[in-house]
Amino acid sequence: DIQMTQSPSTLSASVGDRVTITCRASQSISSWLAWYQHKPGKAPKLLMYKASSLESGVPSRFSGSGSGTEFTLTISSLQPDDFATYYCQQYSSYSLTFGGGTKVEIK
Amino acid sequence: QGQLVESGGGVVQPGRSLRLSCATSGFTFSGFGFHWVRQAPGKGLEWVAVIWYDGSNKYYVDSVKGRFTISRDNSKNTLYLQMNSLRAEDTAMYYCARDSYYGSGISYYFDYWGQGTLVTVSS
Repeated sequence: DIQMTQSPSTLSASVGDRVTITCRASQSISSWLAWYQHKPGKAPKLLMYKASSLESGVPSRFSGSGSGTEFTLTISSLQPDDFATYYCQQYSSYSLTFGGGTKVEIK
Repeated sequence: QGQLVESGGGVVQPGRSLRLSCATSGFTFSGFGFHWVRQAPGKGLEWVAVIWYDGSNKYYVDSVKGRFTISRDNSKNTLYLQMNSLRAEDTAMYYCARDSYYGSGISYYFDYWGQGTLVTVSS
């Protein structure tokens, strides 16, 4: 299976901060990567797919980049609604795997 | 806007069975593949199974092969997960999720999710 490693596992930030989350794959996954936002008790939400494509309805402050084995999710100006846990997911192989998550907390 | 609502979770003894359901609305159920994804307490997300739009193909994570069966009823707009021979390590919140691809294929990422149903395997 392809292992996905996210860093950091926890991130403390303030409203207005620029935030970057990294996701590394154990082997090349081309651009077959999605990002999700998950809040406690809620359904996870798709943010990005194919590494850098913004899902419809997602604010433009979210952006994704990378290919091969290294990827980033950037929030250009953190908003109160953005405090959540973020997961990357590879879909290069049909044994789908997720990163361990990055919890974005209020500083 | 799609809606997915899971049900059927609960507390069950090791070795017993449970069937989860995922009722959907707001879109053409029969046109999409679906997945089950779980999250054990304090852990990250784990993909469990996928079923094609017409039920013709099904795949599972190794840890549930031979024990879990994913199925669907396109006349009821409902997805199922039959879980047999349950183990303590199956304890998790189970989410159903819609594959983003419409038609005869699978994209393997998820554009709509439910809020989950909790399965606890304990004696």
